[in-house]
Amino acid sequence: AQKITQTQPGMFVQEKEAVTLDCTYDTSDQSYGLFWYKQPSSGEMIFLIYQGSYDEQNATEGRYSLNFQKARKSANLVISASQLGDSAMYFCAIQPNTLKRGGSNYKLTFGKGTLLTVNP
Amino acid sequence: DAGITQSPRHKVTETGTPVTLRCHQTENHRYMYWYRQDPGHGLRLIHYSYGVKDTDKGEVSDGYSVSRSKTEDFLLTLESATSSQTSVYFCAISREEVTQYFGPGTRLLVL
Repeated sequence: AQKITQTQPGMFVQEKEAVTLDCTYDTSDQSYGLFWYKQPSSGEMIFLIYQGSYDEQNATEGRYSLNFQKARKSANLVISASQLGDSAMYFCAIQPNTLKRGGSNYKLTFGKGTLLTVNP
Repeated sequence: DAGITQSPRHKVTETGTPVTLRCHQTENHRYMYWYRQDPGHGLRLIHYSYGVKDTDKGEVSDGYSVSRSKTEDFLLTLESATSSQTSVYFCAISREEVTQYFGPGTRLLVL
């Protein structure tokens, strides 16, 4: 079984500053993937970034980067130069055995989310 | 745009009535999923499909059934809706068999 823990129910950041959203995970799988999604107040779920457990480098996508520390089982999301439009709920998720084929290997387990508010 | 639509987008129904939610994709992806989102729980997997007529249960499947007779459509049915099934329902598809992309969601209220 997989588990995601997001310990920050809410975070505040000033516009143009960087912010780190915490995510720790628990899994017995050797191979897995970690994801971050953004959910603005409009309700849609937007994929942000992916990190494979065997990837040697931390993933980056524009202003988003994933600080992956495998030994500590953490996958924190870093948003640089925050913008007002970054205000949203952010979810961390884990998917087991991404290198394998088969239906059950693609289930996502989500954390409860962190509500980020960017102040002007 | 992930090419996923959900219908209806909003629905109010009464306890005990059957409800069917539809997820439609235009990109011919093999994997499709149904999740529900509730306050304090994040998203939880209800059922998923790995091909036409191939489906399996997720972690919160009780009270739900699914069907997939065509690649592009994945239906979620509440046979007899209960108030505990009031939720926001998201459909998702997998691209490259890894990353899941979500539809716009359906808000269901069971009175």
